[in-house]
Amino acid sequence: EAQVTQNPRYLITVTGKKLTVTCSQNMNHEYMSWYRQDPGLGLRQIYYSMNVEVTDKGDVPEGYKVSRKEKRNFPLILESPSPNQTSLYFCASSSQGGNSPLHFGNGTRLTVT
Amino acid sequence: GEDVEQSLFLSVREGDSSVINCTYTDSSSTYLYWYKQEPGAGLQLLTYIFSNMDMKQDQRLTVLLNKKDKHLSLRIADTQTGDSAIYFCAEMVYGQNFVFGPGTRLSVLP
Repeated sequence: EAQVTQNPRYLITVTGKKLTVTCSQNMNHEYMSWYRQDPGLGLRQIYYSMNVEVTDKGDVPEGYKVSRKEKRNFPLILESPSPNQTSLYFCASSSQGGNSPLHFGNGTRLTVT
Repeated sequence: GEDVEQSLFLSVREGDSSVINCTYTDSSSTYLYWYKQEPGAGLQLLTYIFSNMDMKQDQRLTVLLNKKDKHLSLRIADTQTGDSAIYFCAEMVYGQNFVFGPGTRLSVLP
C-alpha cells in the first residue's frame, strides 16, 4: 500500500533533549516536506526537499534540521527542543512533474515540557 | 511571498450546500488543491484543478476558479455530517513547492 509513515505518533519530551521524528515513503517520490500545524495558523512549512541531498528552508525552519540521504527517508531533527515547538507535525511527499498532489502521513503530536 | 487565505469557520445545515472560499497571490500557480482533514487524521486530497480550467465537478464537489481575481471555491452539495472537517486550499508554486491556507473548519448542523 502506497503510504507516508511517520513515527512516533505521539511524543512527550523535555526542553533540550534532542529528538528525531522519522518519515518514510514507499512511492519513490522525489519531493518531501515537513509541516507543523497550530490552531489558527494552518499548515506552515518547515523544510522541504526536491530530491536526495537537496533540502531548502520553508517558512519556519528555526530550531529544526532535516536530512535527505536516501530518497525514501526525510527525518526531522530537533537538536534542542523548546516548548514553542509543541505542535502537530506532518510529513508529506509527492512525485515531480505535472499534477502530483501531496500525500500526507498521519501526523506526530509533539509536546515539549 | 506567496500567500493563501481562507475564512476560518463555516457552519451549514445538513442537506444544504457549503461553499468554502480561498484566495491566493501567486499568479504562476499551476495547480490548486483542496484537502480535507478529519479529526486526528492527516490531510487527504479531495480534488484539484489546473490553472487553465474554470470549473471542475466531481460527484458532490464543484471547484470554481477565477484566475483573474485569484479566487478558488469548493462547493459541497447536499452536505452531510460526515463532511464536518477542516478544508485546506493549497497552491503549487515554483514548479513543485506547495503553499497552504490556514484551513476552514466546516461544521454541519443536524
